[in-house]
Amino acid sequence: QKEVEQDPGPLSVPEGAIVSLNCTYSNSAFQYFMWYRQYSRKGPELLMYTYSSGNKEDGRFTAQVDKSSKYISLFIRDSQPSDSATYLCAMTDDYKLSFGAGTTVTVRA
Amino acid sequence: DVKVTQSSRYLVKRTGEKVFLECVQDMDHENMFWYRQDPGLGLRLIYFSYDVKMKEKGDIPEGYSVSREKKERFSLILESASTNQTSMYLCASSLQTSGANTGELFFGEGSRLTVL
Repeated sequence: QKEVEQDPGPLSVPEGAIVSLNCTYSNSAFQYFMWYRQYSRKGPELLMYTYSSGNKEDGRFTAQVDKSSKYISLFIRDSQPSDSATYLCAMTDDYKLSFGAGTTVTVRA
Repeated sequence: DVKVTQSSRYLVKRTGEKVFLECVQDMDHENMFWYRQDPGLGLRLIYFSYDVKMKEKGDIPEGYSVSREKKERFSLILESASTNQTSMYLCASSLQTSGANTGELFFGEGSRLTVL
């Protein structure tokens, strides 16, 4: 079993829809949780990070962490074609960083 | 603006060849990493370095070696390339030490290696 599980999709939504992405994990020592965005033929870039459980909002993006369920989510409101990318969750126990496989999202104009 | 530069975007090599992948960062970061990215498998850590001349094995170090002679430069070496090393290779750097790793990595654009 992988330490971090993420549905690879692909996910295709119309412009303006809410995109919902999630990851589950098995290591209860994970404390920091991140979402990276990777455009085609580019390296990943950090989109959001949260510490422990709770919500964090940044513009159209909301990250949620539920440590009791070992489940994290990323929501994209009012999605735009420019949001089309692969989204990777990542998490760390302060020593080792573990990535999900990534979910490919296409937002149709 | 932070920058991690990988010298080669696309390479095609033959089985058995020695391959060098170079990475340079201009942010004075202590930590540097090499990952490979494969469909369905995500990012897997090959090696990392937290200081000049220091290196640590990641999850999949077999078939690879690294060199860090200067703080800004981290090289990945495939001593004898094999077809199963065909992949996207990503270099990254970070400021934090391993004891306070919040995971804020800065990635290069990747080097796509094809081994025939």
